[in-house]
Amino acid sequence: EVQLVESGGGLVQPGGSLRLSCSASGFTFSRYAMHWVRQAPGRGLQYISVITRNGGFTYYTDSVRGRFTISRDDSKNTLFLQMSSLRPEDTSVYFCVRDDGAGSYDFWGQGTMVTVSS
Amino acid sequence: DVVMTQSPLSLPVTLGQPASISCRSSQSLVHSDGNTYLNWFQQRPGQSPRRLIYKVSNRDSGVPDRFSGSGSGTDFTLKISRVEAEDVGVYYCMQGTHWPTWTFGQGTKVEIK
Repeated sequence: EVQLVESGGGLVQPGGSLRLSCSASGFTFSRYAMHWVRQAPGRGLQYISVITRNGGFTYYTDSVRGRFTISRDDSKNTLFLQMSSLRPEDTSVYFCVRDDGAGSYDFWGQGTMVTVSS
Repeated sequence: DVVMTQSPLSLPVTLGQPASISCRSSQSLVHSDGNTYLNWFQQRPGQSPRRLIYKVSNRDSGVPDRFSGSGSGTDFTLKISRVEAEDVGVYYCMQGTHWPTWTFGQGTKVEIK
């Protein structure tokens, strides 16, 4: 069974940093590109970042580029999102999502909540 | 980035009646490989999103056949033939054609009248 379990969320002050993790199981993690998608309270879904299978390509939406860094450790089946210079508008549930290789997301984690507030 | 526009944003429906959600893209979603990567996701209250439909009209395993997807180019539709109580939630279309900037629609909230 495919499982994606996010962790690392919490309350952080504006300007602070946080590192999210996503532990994957039930599939060969190294064979899949992985994404982060977020959802602000009461709002819709927003694509944040992607990392390809070998980690050779990463991409970020404009609002987080230069502040967030996506990475992966295939030996530990884990996806990361290092977030710095956090802003109140980054407050969201952050989902780890598997790219099915055909223009879609086939599995989602349960999400981890990040709250940026003083 | 491709803009995905859903309508309506709120959809009150009567149990057992049909429902339809429209999704329009600002650019064609036909990929150079000939496929159209238009997806539909359901997010029930308090849950993570779940994929219902991929490549316009392909239902995921376990998705009831009352859900169907159709459309082409820039115009797509998700239909529920007979709404059940468990269908309450928010539905999102998402384009996966224009890599790497995949984009979601704003979401359509389905509720029971």
